[in-house]
Amino acid sequence: DAGVTQSPTHLIKTRGQQVTLRCSPKSGHDTVSWYQQALGQGPQFIFQYYEEEERQRGNFPDRFSGHQFPNYSSELNVNALLLGDSALYLCASSSLQGARETQYFGPGTRLLVL
Amino acid sequence: TQLLEQSPQFLSIQEGENLTVYCNSSSVFSSLQWYRQEPGEGPVLLVTVVTGGEVKKLKRLTFQFGDARKDSSLHITAAQPGDTGLYLCAGARYTNAGKSTFGDGTTLTVKP
Repeated sequence: DAGVTQSPTHLIKTRGQQVTLRCSPKSGHDTVSWYQQALGQGPQFIFQYYEEEERQRGNFPDRFSGHQFPNYSSELNVNALLLGDSALYLCASSSLQGARETQYFGPGTRLLVL
Repeated sequence: TQLLEQSPQFLSIQEGENLTVYCNSSSVFSSLQWYRQEPGEGPVLLVTVVTGGEVKKLKRLTFQFGDARKDSSLHITAAQPGDTGLYLCAGARYTNAGKSTFGDGTTLTVKP
């Protein structure tokens, strides 16, 4: 049973560029959440997708956008990259059963913006 | 606003010692998760607690959810070098399902 997978593992971009990160959820899961983890901090919630729509959103600007495909996989897009966007981007999947959903995380994508 | 406060921020102990780390909030959570994260990897789920006062054991790890569901603790007995890592707690609410709020973690180092 494959867990959550993310690609790429590492990425280097320059300021102003755009980036797309990808996530495949754990088998049987239909909900994908994205988190940003800066060095020395806990993950910060970006947004969550369910049934191909954004359900919840954290305090992130519109430069951060996403998409969920019919097979439940998801993409995170970040436009006009800033140095402060350098972080580990984590994808978590879950199965929406009431509100007590347990999330399983992927290994993350390490983004460095120069 | 940091809704979950974890303490201590850093902890360095010798193999065989016991330790407790804490996760505190002024808010009520419907469930709380503990994760362990190693450098460059994603958090790995250790346990989910959902009932006030609940105690769960995972080998040498004991997790407790506060009666009011605002706080939690993780106790490790006879720590081993393999326990080294970042321990994160995360809370979720029924009214905001799907959005987990994380603390900044406790970095544990167990020296052989």
